[in-house]
Amino acid sequence: DAKTTQPPSMDCAEGRAANLPCNHSTISGNEYVYWYRQIHSQGPQYIIHGLKNNETNEMASLIITEDRKSSTLILPHATLRDTAVYYCIVRPRGGANNLFFGTGTRLTVIP
Amino acid sequence: DVKVTQSSRYLVKRTGEKVFLECVQDMDHENMFWYRQDPGLGLRLIYFSYDVKMKEKGDIPEGYSVSREKKERFSLILESASTNQTSMYLCASSSRRRVGEQYFGPGTRLTVT
Repeated sequence: DAKTTQPPSMDCAEGRAANLPCNHSTISGNEYVYWYRQIHSQGPQYIIHGLKNNETNEMASLIITEDRKSSTLILPHATLRDTAVYYCIVRPRGGANNLFFGTGTRLTVIP
Repeated sequence: DVKVTQSSRYLVKRTGEKVFLECVQDMDHENMFWYRQDPGLGLRLIYFSYDVKMKEKGDIPEGYSVSREKKERFSLILESASTNQTSMYLCASSSRRRVGEQYFGPGTRLTVT
């Protein structure tokens, strides 16, 4: 599976958009980009995934660059409850059963 | 909403005890997973089940066994608990077709003394 690189930490003001970047320059054509988050002392939570088109759901938007070497998760109006570690995961369709969670980005939403 | 529940949030056991961790999901998912999470090591897959009575070893199955007698329930068994099994244990489930979209329980923090 392709490796991902994320900044270790970011801050965002409450009510503003949080833009979390992820680099996956070695991604191959059949690999999807998944985003999860883990709030302190809870299990990881699936957020969104995509292949090459931008995706949006009730939680977030996922923007994937045209060359698919990077992506950005956007939380449009961050709240204090969005403070968590965010993980970007690249996984091929039909790939291994487990998800590889790297170190992620610790997002702190500041009042 | 998908709901995955785990039998305990916190558990303290003694070395050598047999430990049962139970997980139940209510979304009729075919796949169920047991992970452990340790600082600096991320999440590591212990066992995976893709159907009732079916299981596959993950990356770190040693010292663990699993049981899946019903579709909604997946149990992790520590046959003889050891201190190096002190960890956060996370259960997850997914549909057969969307393995990358896993839904996790709240976790069980197990301490073995």
